Amino acid sequence: EPEVTQTPSHQVTQMGQEVILRCVPISNHLYFYWYRQILGQKVEFLVSFYNNEISEKSEIFDDQFSVERPDGSNFTLKIRSTKLEDSAMYFCASSEDRGRAETQYFGPGTRLLVL
Amino acid sequence: GQQLNQSPQSMFIQEGEDVSMNCTSSSIFNTWLWYKQDPGEGPVLLIALYKAGELTSNGRLTAQFGITRKDSFLNISASIPSDVGIYFCAGYASGGSYIPTFGRGTSLIVHP
Repeated sequence: EPEVTQTPSHQVTQMGQEVILRCVPISNHLYFYWYRQILGQKVEFLVSFYNNEISEKSEIFDDQFSVERPDGSNFTLKIRSTKLEDSAMYFCASSEDRGRAETQYFGPGTRLLVL
Repeated sequence: GQQLNQSPQSMFIQEGEDVSMNCTSSSIFNTWLWYKQDPGEGPVLLIALYKAGELTSNGRLTAQFGITRKDSFLNISASIPSDVGIYFCAGYASGGSYIPTFGRGTSLIVHP
């Protein structure tokens, strides 16, 4: 069964450092998403991406965040200067249908710890 | 923004018991979703609900779309150890953003 993959599974970084989280969406999907989940909290939407541009973003997705699809398979989330409060699990998701959130498949997540 | 209240926050039950959890929203949703998250994994969709009053089953899981369209319920019958995980409700209103708003999750532990 096709699945969304994410690397790394865990990342520890120093405050102020840049991190890049990588995702490989399901191959025939066209819509890509990043979510985050702070420990013990709900899953929160960050950004959606379609046709090489951001479709929608939340208030969390400020100027320190950026997304990119550098090639035909990867979808990345960059945090330019990490803060302690960026520590969270980051989930990538992809779907073939923007209009139906239930068609989103989530990856296993990257646990980011900012020290 | 939309707020989802999910309860209970956690449950500790014996194998074989039935489980109920629910979500209430500050606004009307057109679609309710229930996910399960296993340790170290991303959320996996269990059930999707599209109409007020709708009752949908997936094996031992049954979910209902509340009549007011502001709530939803998930029941698990005859729980087994592999039901352990975090269950999230989520919802969205069609015609606006199709990005789901998630609840904070119900952590379920099943004792053999």
